[in-house]
Amino acid sequence: GENVEQHPSTLSVQEGDSAVIKCTYSDSASNYFPWYKQELGKRPQLIIDIRSNVGEKKDQRIAVTLNKTAKHFSLHITETQPEDSAVYFCAASSLNTGNQFYFGTGTSLTVIP
Amino acid sequence: DAEITQSPRHKITETGRQVTLACHQTWNHNNMFWYRQDLGHGLRLIHYSYGVHDTNKGEVSDGYSVSRSNTEDLPLTLESAASSQTSVYFCASSESWLAGVYNEQFFGPGTRLTVL
Repeated sequence: GENVEQHPSTLSVQEGDSAVIKCTYSDSASNYFPWYKQELGKRPQLIIDIRSNVGEKKDQRIAVTLNKTAKHFSLHITETQPEDSAVYFCAASSLNTGNQFYFGTGTSLTVIP
Repeated sequence: DAEITQSPRHKITETGRQVTLACHQTWNHNNMFWYRQDLGHGLRLIHYSYGVHDTNKGEVSDGYSVSRSNTEDLPLTLESAASSQTSVYFCASSESWLAGVYNEQFFGPGTRLTVL
């Protein structure tokens, strides 16, 4: 099956700085890559996703890039704010596995005011 | 408004007891999933269903079972609870995927289960 690795496990940045979280995957058939944000004590919620026919996608302060050749994708958050503090999960999915998501182990982001 | 709910939100049980966690969604989604969340492991898939009477094993299915008798509900049963099953459990649902078009999974609020 798919194996998704996520780094770093913890990340602290000063407010206003950028944060980058990286994920790698093993199944070359994977073609959908969502990112979820989970605030303390809350449920995971989708913040952005990217499909394999796209190299980059942006939504205001967040962006995701995908390198299919290297099998890695990254989440970029610019101009970080304290409310960005949360755990972020990447995931990968492919047609071979239906709508199963394989999640990374999560990155705990702390934005220091 | 359509939603996905889980009950109970917190549960304490003893080793060896049978426990059932409920998941109910009102979106009429065909796909439903159960995950467990543990520190250092992220979200791991336990069981999933693509429709009524369909169930499939996920990555960590041992000791768990599900049944799907209608579209709205996918209860998760721990046949004989073990301390290793202490975790936070999330249910999720999504629309059916067609022609390779993926759909967002919507998560429930979670159930914190403690097995003593």
